[in-house]
Amino acid sequence: DIQMTQSPSTLSASVGDRVTITCRASQSISTWLAWFQQKPGKAPKLLIYKASSLESGVPSRFSGSGSGTDFTLTISSLQPDDFATYYCQQYNVYYTFGQGTKLEIK
Amino acid sequence: QVQLVQSGAEVKKPGASVKVSCKASGYSLTSYDMNWVRQVTGQGLEWMGWMTLNSGDTGHAKKFQGRVTMTRNTSINTAYMELSSLRSEDTAVYYCARRSPSSGDAFDIWGQGTMVTVSS
Repeated sequence: DIQMTQSPSTLSASVGDRVTITCRASQSISTWLAWFQQKPGKAPKLLIYKASSLESGVPSRFSGSGSGTDFTLTISSLQPDDFATYYCQQYNVYYTFGQGTKLEIK
Repeated sequence: QVQLVQSGAEVKKPGASVKVSCKASGYSLTSYDMNWVRQVTGQGLEWMGWMTLNSGDTGHAKKFQGRVTMTRNTSINTAYMELSSLRSEDTAVYYCARRSPSSGDAFDIWGQGTMVTVSS
């Protein structure tokens, strides 16, 4: 099974900050990686697919990069609505999620 | 509006089964694969299985071998996930999620979630 490891588990930041979340796969997944945002009591929301493609309707301050085993999600300038938990997911071989990164207000 | 609407919360006793429904609106159910994901309160997301809705083919995570059954009723645009031999560790929110080729085969639309509580 492919394991996904996200870091950090928790991230404290302020509005306007640039933040980066990383995700590492236990084996190469090419670019079969998605990023989701989840708020309490809500379903996950797709932000990025194929590692770097922005889902329709998602603000351009979100971006993704990487291939193989190492990936990043970057938010260029944090907005109040961005404080949430973020998950990466590989879909190269079945599906596995990272453990999540909680983005908190500093 | 494209959406997935799931059935309501369930409370079950250990050893029982639960069947969660997921009704698609705004698109034809059979045009996309459906996946099921669960989330224990305060924890991460766990993929359970998928179904190709036009053929009925299914696949699932090894962890749920022999306990999960995915079906569909195309006449009412609804997919189902049944989990049997429930135990307390199955207490979680269960989501259906559509896999979309136009979103790079990622899960683009999710149901609102169904809380399943397993308690004696």
